[in-house]
Amino acid sequence: DADVTQTPRNRITKTGKRIMLECSQTKGHDRMYWYRQDPGLGLQLIYYSFDVKDINKGEISDGYSVSRQAQAKFSLSLESAIPNQTALYFCATSVGGGITDTQYFGPGTRLTVL
Amino acid sequence: AQKITQTQPGMFVQEKEAVTLDCTYDTSDQSYGLFWYKQPSSGEMIFLIYQGSYDEQNATEGRYSLNFQKARKSANLVISASQLGDSAMYFCAMREGDQAGTALIFGKGTTLSVSS
Repeated sequence: DADVTQTPRNRITKTGKRIMLECSQTKGHDRMYWYRQDPGLGLQLIYYSFDVKDINKGEISDGYSVSRQAQAKFSLSLESAIPNQTALYFCATSVGGGITDTQYFGPGTRLTVL
Repeated sequence: AQKITQTQPGMFVQEKEAVTLDCTYDTSDQSYGLFWYKQPSSGEMIFLIYQGSYDEQNATEGRYSLNFQKARKSANLVISASQLGDSAMYFCAMREGDQAGTALIFGKGTTLSVSS
């Protein structure tokens, strides 16, 4: 089984709908992240969480919210989806520990907002 | 200014040849980490290799090595003996500073195509 799972893997929705993307991990890592990737671009950080009580905004948090329900679960919500939120969304986890802290990614969720 | 620059949008190589994917970075921190990830057409992001700013030796992981030139702020990925399965997008990324959990800054990626 994969260490970092994301559901759904693909989602098509309409403008204005509320959408939740879920991430679960069995790696036992404290730190979790949400990124988005637009075609032809690298990844941009949306939110990150150091532990259950710690949530931080990334560089593109507007229009998104998150919930860290447990150490192993980190959800991303789009309160009112818009077409320019069409992207590939990745969840990642890391154990922590300075510059050597490697992030491990889930398989991604491809979201299309019509 | 971009923190991570990958100047090669696409690279082409034949099987069994070596290929170098370029990455330059910009930081004023003394402590930083450099990462390479592979993204096949299926979309997942696969961690390949890591180099710390204080590491004196170039990192190696199997057929992957990182040519780290600190003074030039470059961290090029070298893939030896290319295989068809190496065809993918490759991203260079950096973490600045020692704070645990800070974000990775990604470059825009290089598409590698390996032909037989």
